[in-house]
Amino acid sequence: DGGITQSPKYLFRKEGQNVTLSCEQNLNHDAMYWYRQDPGQGLRLIYYSQIVNDFQKGDIAEGYSVSREKKESFPLTVTSAQKNPTAFYLCASSIFSGSGLNEQFFGPGTRLTVL
Amino acid sequence: DAKTTQPPSMDCAEGRAANLPCNHSTISGNEYVYWYRQIHSQGPQYIIHGLKNNETNEMASLIITEDRKSSTLILPHATLRDTAVYYCIVRVAESGGSNYKLTFGKGTLLTVNP
Repeated sequence: DGGITQSPKYLFRKEGQNVTLSCEQNLNHDAMYWYRQDPGQGLRLIYYSQIVNDFQKGDIAEGYSVSREKKESFPLTVTSAQKNPTAFYLCASSIFSGSGLNEQFFGPGTRLTVL
Repeated sequence: DAKTTQPPSMDCAEGRAANLPCNHSTISGNEYVYWYRQIHSQGPQYIIHGLKNNETNEMASLIITEDRKSSTLILPHATLRDTAVYYCIVRVAESGGSNYKLTFGKGTLLTVNP
């Protein structure tokens, strides 16, 4: 089955620790995205990547880092510099076109809790 | 991207049509209307999108008013599994692929009741 997988589904970390969230897709999509969702709120874009070895900051990139070494993978690291890391993290992917108007397919999400 | 306004919540009886409104009075000519939904604790799911013509697919219908200032998402026969938050989003079409992100508001929580 084609799709996007995120692991783990639930993640706990101690304050001051870095943690990496996994996102893998087998849809052969060029573009991948990371969003953050807080309770009762919409999604906010953290980082996105339109092609391998290239990525751009979204609206709330501070305290986060990413890499895009492979087309299928776009891991997100939540660093200790992120002040309020507890949230629901969603990864998405899409094909890339000139207009950017392609539907984004989302993974099941990772719920990160900082203790 | 233009802003959208949606009611915070709606109820619908199972088997009946669910009509979810969205106001986007500042929409411009090159902006599309997109709908996504998010079932609790899952990732959002694409439903449908349109520019000015009405659209229909296997999930829903999208009715856009002639002045494009509002739209309605119609789920023709709502089921309990359609209970979710529904997001109406407007996105501009720009050459060069710079329109990369989806800006989600708070959406409408649709509760389908048995």
